[in-house]
Amino acid sequence: DADVTQTPRNRITKTGKRIMLECSQTKGHDRMYWYRQDPGLGLRLIYYSFDVKDINKGEISDGYSVSRQAQAKFSLSLESAIPNQTALYFCATSLAGHPQETQYFGPGTRLLVL
Amino acid sequence: KNEVEQSPQNLTAQEGEFITINCSYSVGISALHWLQQHPGGGIVSLFMLSSGKKKHGRLIATINIQEKHSSLHITASHPRDSAVYICAVDGRSQGNLIFGKGTKLSVKP
Repeated sequence: DADVTQTPRNRITKTGKRIMLECSQTKGHDRMYWYRQDPGLGLRLIYYSFDVKDINKGEISDGYSVSRQAQAKFSLSLESAIPNQTALYFCATSLAGHPQETQYFGPGTRLLVL
Repeated sequence: KNEVEQSPQNLTAQEGEFITINCSYSVGISALHWLQQHPGGGIVSLFMLSSGKKKHGRLIATINIQEKHSSLHITASHPRDSAVYICAVDGRSQGNLIFGKGTKLSVKP
C-alpha cells in the first residue's frame, strides 16, 4: 500500500461548491504539506503543518483552508470553488528536521472547477 | 525574479546521451533537493544534498554552495528517464521548500 494517499484522485465540480481533498499517510511523519501545480508555474505551497497543533499558511493560501485531524490526516478544503483553482493538488509529508528532510508525495488529485 | 531557476526548460536527447540539468538559486540554503515527476504525475525525491556530490545508479547530483548552483547529470540516458526534473531548495529562514519550475526531459529511442 502507498505510504501517502490522496482522495479523490480526480474531481470535477462547479463554481461555488465546497470541496474537500483528503490526505492520509502511514509514514509516521509529523510534517504535512499541501501544494498545487499549474502548468509552467511549478509547485506552490498552500498550507503546511509541522504537527497536529501547528498549521501555517503558504504562499497561496487565499481561498483554501485546512484541517489536521490527526498526525496521519491532513485535509484541504475549497470553501467556494472557482475556475482558477483548477489544478493538480499534491499532499506531501516529511520528518521534522533542519535542513528540510526529504518530502514524500501523494499521487495527486486532479481538480477541475467548471 | 524566481529564487530557483532551472535550465533548460525543455530537453530532448537521444538514448545513450549524457544529460545535464542545471539549477541556480539566489537565497542562502541549508540543502537542495532534486525530484522527478513521472509522466503520470507522481513525484519522487531523487537526492538531498548540502555539499559536494551524490550518486545513485546513473544519476549524479552536484552542488557548489559558493556559486549557488547545482547540476543533475544522467549518464547513458534511457527513454524511461523521460520525466520532469524539479530542483528545490531549503532556504535557511524557511520551514519548507522553494521549487523551481522544472525541466522536462524527453529521451528518444
